[in-house]
Order: sequence, then structure tokens, then C-alpha cells
Amino acid sequence: AQSVTQLDSQVPVFEEAPVELRCNYSSSVSVYLFWYVQYPNQGLQLLLKYLSGSTLVKGINGFEAEFNKSQTSFHLRKPSVHISDTAEYFCAVSEYTGNQFYFGTGTSLTVIP
Amino acid sequence: NAGVTQTPKFRVLKTGQSMTLLCAQDMNHEYMYWYRQDPGMGLRLIHYSVGEGTTAKGEVPDGYNVSRLKKQNFLLGLESAAPSQTSVYFCASSPLDSSSYNSPLHFGNGTRLTVT
Repeated sequence: AQSVTQLDSQVPVFEEAPVELRCNYSSSVSVYLFWYVQYPNQGLQLLLKYLSGSTLVKGINGFEAEFNKSQTSFHLRKPSVHISDTAEYFCAVSEYTGNQFYFGTGTSLTVIP
Repeated sequence: NAGVTQTPKFRVLKTGQSMTLLCAQDMNHEYMYWYRQDPGMGLRLIHYSVGEGTTAKGEVPDGYNVSRLKKQNFLLGLESAAPSQTSVYFCASSPLDSSSYNSPLHFGNGTRLTVT
């Protein structure tokens, strides 16, 4: 089974400041990588995904993530956050040959005015 | 364009009672999943299905049963509820080949279950 580690459970950041949410995974096989966002009392929505090709992936709402195979990481970044970015963010992994998704424990991003 | 619909949205049970959570999707997806979300533990897979008539255990299947009699529906049952099953339950679906679509997992809005 896959293991997904989100190193920070809570990240407070001031409005318009940059942010990085960290994600590492353990895998000996090729994987797909995803970031999902969850707003209060809602289900998860896809932010971005890495399937193959360029290691820098751009998603919705100005977020981007970089896949680093040697470090088995997929960190999420945004150069300037807004109040509306306050939410829970989940990193997830699925194997090429499987049909299960493995989620990290989540990072709660709080944007401070 | 409903996507994934979960019913009910909220439920309170007493220990030992039973209930069924319903998940319905209208996207003709092959795969369906049930997750539970607990503080500090993220999402954990309970059971999943790779097609009509099939089910499989996930990471935390004990105390739950599932059925997929129709492709669009995936039911999660609790036969004898316990306080440890207090959680938020999410259903999700995905197409057969997740690499061909923009959104591999489509989630419902969750069911908040409290067992007293």
C-alpha cells in the first residue's frame, strides 16, 4: 500500500503572501499524484494532477505543484494567497496499475487578513 | 448535472442501531468508493467497487458492508453502529481510466454520522 505524508497539519499565512504545502509519498512503482481542496462542509474538489510529462503542473485558482521523483515529493505552491483559499488541502496518490487512491492526513491552510 | 449525491446529509444513531447510506452517481462511472474522514487522519478507504455486482475491502472495512446492485448506486451499511463509527462519510466515483479525464475522483458532499 501507498503512504502519503503531509508534513504540516496547519499552515497560517498572511493574505498576499506565498505558501507551500508539502507532500511526500512512498512508492516503488509509478504513480499518479493529485491535490484536492475541501471547503467547509463540502466534498473534495480536484485542484490539480500529475499524470506524466512536465513536472510542473498548474491547477485551478492559481495553484501549482512540482513533481520530484528523486525526492518522491509533490509540493503545492501559490505565489499570493487570498482569504478564499482558506480550506483543507489533501495530497493523494494512485498507482498506474491500481484503482485505489491513498490520501494524506490533510493540511489546514488559514489565510490571515 | 447532479454528479455524486449522498443521502442522508446528517444522521444520529444510538449504539446498536443499523442504517444504510446511499450514494448515487449519474456520470456512468465504473468505480465507486466509500471513505470516512476523521480529524487528523485524513480520508480512509472503507470499501470500493470496480463495477456493478463487485465490491472489495479497503483500509478500514470492519463494521461495514456494501452493495453495488446497480452501476449508479453504491450503498454503505452499518449493521450495529458503534461510537467509533462517528465520522463524516464520503462517497466518490471515477471513470474506468482515470488518466483520460480531468477529474479522477468525483466526491459527494458527505454524510455526517453521530453514534451515541
